[in-house]
Amino acid sequence: LAKTTQPISMDSYEGQEVNITCSHNNIATNDYITWYQQFPSQGPRFIIQGYKTKVTNEVASLFIPADRKSSTLSLPRVSLSDTAVYYCLVGDRILDMGRRALTFGSGTRLQVQP
Amino acid sequence: EPEVTQTPSHQVTQMGQEVILRCVPISNHLYFYWYRQILGQKVEFLVSFYNNEISEKSEIFDDQFSVERPDGSNFTLKIRSTKLEDSAMYFCASSAYRDPTNEKLFFGSGTQLSVL
Repeated sequence: LAKTTQPISMDSYEGQEVNITCSHNNIATNDYITWYQQFPSQGPRFIIQGYKTKVTNEVASLFIPADRKSSTLSLPRVSLSDTAVYYCLVGDRILDMGRRALTFGSGTRLQVQP
Repeated sequence: EPEVTQTPSHQVTQMGQEVILRCVPISNHLYFYWYRQILGQKVEFLVSFYNNEISEKSEIFDDQFSVERPDGSNFTLKIRSTKLEDSAMYFCASSAYRDPTNEKLFFGSGTQLSVL
């Protein structure tokens, strides 16, 4: 089973860059790495996805080393509104049917202070 | 950006009652999902649905649960006889492509189900 490990929580200040690293030692060859953001009482929201090297969009950057056993989500110049839980996901297997579905871990709770 | 809409936003029910949670996925999406999140816990996968049948389901999705796409726009989750432990936020999601591990899932804002 592909599992992810990420810090439980992180604190930052407005204007700083935040890097959240996720470990996924058992990532499968075909798995992509996807990050979601969740605000309280809301559904998860897609942030970014990558397979290898670096991906950048208007919200974040995702760095993936060559061995793909980890990935780092980088949020440039965070603001108070970036306070949320950030989830790193890779493919996982549903045991009873052997098929794949997106499985959320515990995520990283980012608290941005003024 | 297109949205997944869920109704109601809050649902209170008595233990043993049936509830139906409703979702309108994004119009051109073909794959639909239900997840749930018990307060303070992880977002848990329940079921995925494609072409009018269940594609995958988790251990949580037992005989008390069912899903349906009754028309071209709605996607529903039914819990036949609710239990206290079914109290959770239920999220519907949809995607355009088959493999959710390399495709963007769009989530709704959720239905908070409280079983008394």
